[in-house]
Amino acid sequence: GESVGLHLPTLSVQEGDNSIINCAYSNSASDYFIWYKQESGKGPQFIIDIRSNMDKRQGQRVTVLLNKTVKHLSLQIAATQPGDSAVYFCAESSMTTDSWGKLQFGAGTQVVVTP
Amino acid sequence: DGGITQSPKYLFRKEGQNVTLSCEQNLNHDAMYWYRQDPGQGLRLIYYSQIVNDFQKGDIAEGYSVSREKKESFPLTVTSAQKNPTAFYLCASSPFNRGHTEAFFGQGTRLTVV
Repeated sequence: GESVGLHLPTLSVQEGDNSIINCAYSNSASDYFIWYKQESGKGPQFIIDIRSNMDKRQGQRVTVLLNKTVKHLSLQIAATQPGDSAVYFCAESSMTTDSWGKLQFGAGTQVVVTP
Repeated sequence: DGGITQSPKYLFRKEGQNVTLSCEQNLNHDAMYWYRQDPGQGLRLIYYSQIVNDFQKGDIAEGYSVSREKKESFPLTVTSAQKNPTAFYLCASSPFNRGHTEAFFGQGTRLTVV
C-alpha cells in the first residue's frame, strides 16, 4: 500500500451540524465498500456498508453515497455529536475469490466536533 | 461475549528479537487478517487467511510470519528481518462468503522497539 503522509485530513464540525466525509477509491473492480470509525488507541468499528449495486444506503444518523462513475464514496453524519469525534476510514474490496476479504483502506479523515 | 481478542495490548521488543502477537476469535469466522497501522495513516494488510492451514501474503508481508493451525487463532510473528516494526497491529476476522459482510477488529497491539 502507498503511504499518504503523516497528517490526516481533518474535518472540524460544530456540534449539531451535519458532517460529510469523502473518499476516492481507485479499483474499478471493487464492489463492496465499508466505513469504519476508529477512536484513539482502539480498533476500527463498523459503521455502514454498501454494495456496488446500490448508490445510497441509510443507517441510524448515517448515510453512505456511492458514485461508481467517478469512484467516489461519502459518509454523511447527521446532527454530529461529540462522541462522533474519531478517525473515519473507507475500505473497499472486490468479489473475486482470491481477493475476497482483502479490504483496502483509505488514509482516513480525522473528525473533530467542537461545542 | 463473542469477539476478537488481541494480546498483549502493549509489547516492547529489543532489536534483533522475534515477537509473537496473539489473536483469538470466538465468532466462528473462517477468515482472519493482520493489519499494520502507522501514526496518521490507514491500515495496510500484512497477511490473511481464508481457511485453516492456509494463508496468503498481503501488501507488506516482508519480515512477518503467520500460522493458522486452528480456526480460532491467527498469531503473527514479527521477525528480526522487519526493519521498522514499531506500529499498531490490528487483527480482524470475517465470515468467508461472497455476501461481503464486514470485518470485525480486535483492540490492537501496540509494538515498540526499544
